[in-house]
Amino acid sequence: AQSVAQPEDQVNVAEGNPLTVKCTYSVSGNPYLFWYVQYPNRGLQFLLKYITGDNLVKGSYGFEAEFNKSQTSFHLKKPSALVSDSALYFCAVRDPSPRNRDDKIIFGKGTRLHILP
Amino acid sequence: ETGVTQTPRHLVMGMTNKKSLKCEQHLGHNAMYWYKQSAKKPLELMFVYNFKEQTENNSVPSRFSPECPNSSHLFLHLHTLQPEDSALYLCASKGDTQYFGPGTRLTVL
Repeated sequence: AQSVAQPEDQVNVAEGNPLTVKCTYSVSGNPYLFWYVQYPNRGLQFLLKYITGDNLVKGSYGFEAEFNKSQTSFHLKKPSALVSDSALYFCAVRDPSPRNRDDKIIFGKGTRLHILP
Repeated sequence: ETGVTQTPRHLVMGMTNKKSLKCEQHLGHNAMYWYKQSAKKPLELMFVYNFKEQTENNSVPSRFSPECPNSSHLFLHLHTLQPEDSALYLCASKGDTQYFGPGTRLTVL
């Protein structure tokens, strides 16, 4: 069965420090991986994705994520956190094979990121 | 702004009411989705429409009834809901990834 795990419900980081939000996945084959962010009273916004190629993917707002196939991980990172980065972050995975004919995405339960001033 | 709009943004309804949620996209996408987001639970996929045809009904109770009259519009008709149906209902459409609307915050009294 396909799944996404975000082991931390909440992550607290001081402003200016590097941040990491963890994600591991279980999908057969070569999955597509995504990170989304949700600000209060808003829908999910796409941050970045990994399809193929370079394992380090750069996205919006200075975020990046590293695909690690051996550890089946796709952790979200940022070198220097801002208070405005405080939000709910979702890791997601999609099976790109033809059996996923509706291109359904499986989402993790989310990690709340608090950046402390 | 993702190009996916949802109305209303907030809705309060009684258990005997009938209401509808609307989602609209003019991004040229052919697949649209309804999700339910409840507090402290993972995002739940409810329905999938592909080229206006429903291709997924994820064991959703019949008090939720989707409608997709064309590839740009998606509705969720609500009837005799329960308080536990209170949640944020998100619509998404699919391009190179899924693009989400801002959601409708539904409260069932």
